[in-house]
Amino acid sequence: EAQVTQNPRYLITVTGKKLTVTCSQNMNHEYMSWYRQDPGLGLRQIYYSMNVEVTDKGDVPEGYKVSRKEKRNFPLILESPSPNQTSLYFCASSPREKVETQYFGPGTRLLVL
Amino acid sequence: AQSVTQPDIHITVSEGASLELRCNYSYGATPYLFWYVQSPGQGLQLLLKYFSGDTLVQGIKGFEAEFKRSQSSFNLRKPSVHWSDAAEYFCAVGAPRGSQGNLIFGKGTKLSVKP
Repeated sequence: EAQVTQNPRYLITVTGKKLTVTCSQNMNHEYMSWYRQDPGLGLRQIYYSMNVEVTDKGDVPEGYKVSRKEKRNFPLILESPSPNQTSLYFCASSPREKVETQYFGPGTRLLVL
Repeated sequence: AQSVTQPDIHITVSEGASLELRCNYSYGATPYLFWYVQSPGQGLQLLLKYFSGDTLVQGIKGFEAEFKRSQSSFNLRKPSVHWSDAAEYFCAVGAPRGSQGNLIFGKGTKLSVKP
């Protein structure tokens, strides 16, 4: 089944403790992206990647890192999480030539205490 | 700057009634337009999209949307709402192919359905 998976789905952590949210897709998509969703703000793009080893900032990249060492994986790294990073995170992917039509993962709900 | 406005934060309709969710966008060129639905605790599901051509587009679950360039609008409609349509709906605008692929989302409209 074609899908985007995220792990973990739920995470509670404390300020300053490094964490990684994984994202994996099995559709051989070149393009991958991370969004965060906050009440009243909709979804905002954090980082995106057009292909392996190619990443760039979205609209709200502060406090986040990403890497794209393999085509299928696009982990989101929070080196020193803070409470304002409490949010619902979505990973998405698409073929490079169709980045306007993105497939979303199920979401990861993060709480930073 | 690109933006998407969904004027209604929360709408309640009776089951069987018609529905229209509003979406206005600001974009320099003709954008790609999308409607997504998010059921409670679920991810985002694409309902429909508009790229070009016929301005009335049909989507899944009986939804349709009409692109009106003169009004910069892309309103979502359904003639008869079912209880299972209760969810949050997001309008989004996307850049043409080859760009960074950033989807600009509206803040969402939460739909409640009365029995």
